[in-house]
Amino acid sequence: AQSVTQLDSQVPVFEEAPVELRCNYSSSVSVYLFWYVQYPNQGLQLLLKYLSGSTLVKGINGFEAEFNKSQTSFHLRKPSVHISDTAEYFCAVSDGGSQGNLIFGKGTKLSVKP
Amino acid sequence: EAGVTQSPTHLIKTRGQQATLRCSPISGHTSVYWYQQALGLGLQFLLWYDEGEERNRGNFPPRFSGRQFPNYSSELNVNALELEDSALYLCASSLVAGAYQPQHFGDGTRLSIL
Repeated sequence: AQSVTQLDSQVPVFEEAPVELRCNYSSSVSVYLFWYVQYPNQGLQLLLKYLSGSTLVKGINGFEAEFNKSQTSFHLRKPSVHISDTAEYFCAVSDGGSQGNLIFGKGTKLSVKP
Repeated sequence: EAGVTQSPTHLIKTRGQQATLRCSPISGHTSVYWYQQALGLGLQFLLWYDEGEERNRGNFPPRFSGRQFPNYSSELNVNALELEDSALYLCASSLVAGAYQPQHFGDGTRLSIL
């Protein structure tokens, strides 16, 4: 069965600094990868997705992620964070089978300090 | 375009009672998914409905059930509520069934069991 590991439960960073949130998944023949963001008292908002093609994926709010098949990773990056990026970020995988559901990592809380 | 809407926002019940949570997908979306986000347990898949049929369910007891109506809206029923059922229940929808289809989430129903 697929699994997703988000290596950092909390990431504190200063405003305007770069950030990388790490995500590793268990290998599979075909895999679709997603990053979601959850602001307090809200649902999940899709940041970006990797389905196929270019390994560098750009999303909303200046975020991007790189798919690395050999390292089974899909790390999320932003070159310069804002206070408003403070939220919890979830990496998710769908393994291309018929199950339909997403498998989520435990989440990483990004805290941006002034 | 209206997003996924869930009702009620909050629901307070006591042990042994039954709870009904409702979800309206984005217009044109036929697949509906339910997830449980409990403190310390992360996001766990509950149920997937597509075209009115239950397609898959997660590792939850049978007292968690639901259905999808002809207009593609859905409800989640939880019988014989237990304290451990306290969680945020998130509904998501996708345009069609498919592992590559991004899921769009509502803001959730927070269920509190006293």
